[in-house]
Amino acid sequence: SQQGEEDPQALSIQEGENATMNCSYKTSINNLQWYRQNSGRGLVHLILIRSNEREKHSGRLRVTLDTSKKSSSLLITASRAADTASYFCATEGFGNEKLTFGTGTRLTIIP
Amino acid sequence: GAGVSQSPSNKVTEKGKDVELRCDPISGHTALYWYRQSLGQGLEFLIYFQGNSAPDKSGLPSDRFSAERTGGSVSTLTIQRTQQEDSAVYLCASSIRGIQETQYFGPGTRLLVL
Repeated sequence: SQQGEEDPQALSIQEGENATMNCSYKTSINNLQWYRQNSGRGLVHLILIRSNEREKHSGRLRVTLDTSKKSSSLLITASRAADTASYFCATEGFGNEKLTFGTGTRLTIIP
Repeated sequence: GAGVSQSPSNKVTEKGKDVELRCDPISGHTALYWYRQSLGQGLEFLIYFQGNSAPDKSGLPSDRFSAERTGGSVSTLTIQRTQQEDSAVYLCASSIRGIQETQYFGPGTRLLVL
């Protein structure tokens, strides 16, 4: 079963704009990770945020985590055409190494 | 290569046949995971290995599915008597130790059961 729901399911923006995707989950977590998937194949890890962290940055990516609301957001700034992909959040529970994935957001960057 | 590799890339089989999917994790990674991505089902966990043992098999959908890992490295996922609902992309991932670590994914095997 899916742990998380992502919002929106699909997002289209103009190149250069910022894209924000949200993820909500149901149970307590050890960490939350964001992945990108191109063309329905392998996932590329973007960022991992631990449960005791509130914000992390990596290049043009900014991730926030609010454990009280059981939610996370991924912000991509100054979007590029190459950012077009599906983005998934995934949670790791306590004492449970498997990842439980959200439903994904399909992001399209319009040149 | 430095990444996780999977073979075959694509597999078409007839209903009722057995298939084997292979995963080569990143060298030195002790943790290995299998996931499945189906249309309308999203990504779902199948099984987790730590070394050669599988402490979590909770995601295997039926007893037609089995997996093994030998030498703490290569893993094989076997699906017996395939059904059309087994059609999906099967993804393998590995991480250095498991907990609290990034999982690195392979390109997946796209399985189509006719």
